[in-house]
Amino acid sequence: DTGVSQNPRHKITKRGQNVTFRCDPISEHNRLYWYRQTLGQGPEFLTYFQNEAQLEKSRLLSDRFSAERPKGSFSTLEIQRTEQGDSAMYLCASSSQGAIWGNTEAFFGQGTRLTVV
Amino acid sequence: AQSVAQPEDQVNVAEGNPLTVKCTYSVSGNPYLFWYVQYPNRGLQFLLKYITGDNLVKGSYGFEAEFNKSQTSFHLKKPSALVSDSALYFCAVRPVGNAGNMLTFGGGTRLMVKP
Repeated sequence: DTGVSQNPRHKITKRGQNVTFRCDPISEHNRLYWYRQTLGQGPEFLTYFQNEAQLEKSRLLSDRFSAERPKGSFSTLEIQRTEQGDSAMYLCASSSQGAIWGNTEAFFGQGTRLTVV
Repeated sequence: AQSVAQPEDQVNVAEGNPLTVKCTYSVSGNPYLFWYVQYPNRGLQFLLKYITGDNLVKGSYGFEAEFNKSQTSFHLKKPSALVSDSALYFCAVRPVGNAGNMLTFGGGTRLMVKP
């Protein structure tokens, strides 16, 4: 499978625990994105990497959230001291840079569904 | 800041009839526009995009969308709906020249196609 892969698919955790999600993008894509999607809503941008550099973070990404892409390949998203409001689907996407700036589509993984109890 | 509005939470259509899912956007400058579809327990799947050129773009599974700059709209259409088209559809926008390529999504429209 050459698509975007996310693990785990589901995570149930107790409030206050830390969780970490992994995303493996399409291998030739240098851009990687994290989005959050709550029930009945569209995905909301969290953060973006170009290669290993984290170039933008949404204000939605509180200081309890951290993302890394250490070698410009896979990425991890960690949430510390989880809260019930963190319950959502966390989507990872990747894209190539494209011949014309910004004209390439992003390809999404199936997401990690987080439930904080 | 850019935004996307999908005014209908749900669209119901009979199989074989044409369908339209509406999308309007607000962005500074020119937009890149995208449609994605989400099936239950699946990730978002790319359907089509408008970058430049012909205002009518064709995409996967027989879908097409028409870019209307004056009305700032990018409605998704299909001439003949299938039951298998039932899913959640998202419109998304990105300003031309947006260095990060981040997408802003609408709230989604659930399409229900009845036999």
